[in-house]
Amino acid sequence: TQLLEQSPQFLSIQEGENLTVYCNSSSVFSSLQWYRQEPGEGPVLLVTVVTGGEVKKLKRLTFQFGDARKDSSLHITAAQPGDTGLYLCAGEQWAGKSTFGDGTTLTVKP
Amino acid sequence: KAGVTQTPRYLIKTRGQQVTLSCSPISGHRSVSWYQQTPGQGLQFLFEYFSETQRNKGNFPGRFSGRQFSNSRSEMNVSTLELGDSALYLCASSLGQLTGANVLTFGAGSRLTVL
Repeated sequence: TQLLEQSPQFLSIQEGENLTVYCNSSSVFSSLQWYRQEPGEGPVLLVTVVTGGEVKKLKRLTFQFGDARKDSSLHITAAQPGDTGLYLCAGEQWAGKSTFGDGTTLTVKP
Repeated sequence: KAGVTQTPRYLIKTRGQQVTLSCSPISGHRSVSWYQQTPGQGLQFLFEYFSETQRNKGNFPGRFSGRQFSNSRSEMNVSTLELGDSALYLCASSLGQLTGANVLTFGAGSRLTVL
């Protein structure tokens, strides 16, 4: 059973466009993380959200945690080729157990 | 501050063999988690060790096992390798605390190819 559903699975856009990636679940998480992974490397943490309704901004990236702590979104403004990569959301159910979504492969064309 | 180190980075095995992968966590991190990443299945949780004890376990067969040493370094072993075991095996360390968010810091992974 897939606890975290990410959409879209693939996204190819032109430089300068905006995009939103969604991470949805029927389960409640104590915290949710977003990671970015490049080929041949491990995922790197972008942000952690903990409080329902929380919004965090990281330069052109905006992260939101749903009020019920079951879903999250990642919005990128004016995407750049350097944003290309695999974006993963991960929900922490309890200490030591994080479940990952299948990821969104983002390609930003110059 | 050194990151999470995984060895080896790449390895090739044949069906039926066994393999051992190693992970050195960030200093001070007591939790080590292992994940299998494949194109079709994404990141699948294998198990997590905390203070030398397996605290969480995913839905993998008994051929997959692990252990953690007193210095928090961890190893995972896969016996009787199958073609489907070809994957990137990722190790992640964290504080493993019961309250508050546990942020995972990943290593670069061990790429296993089974022929």
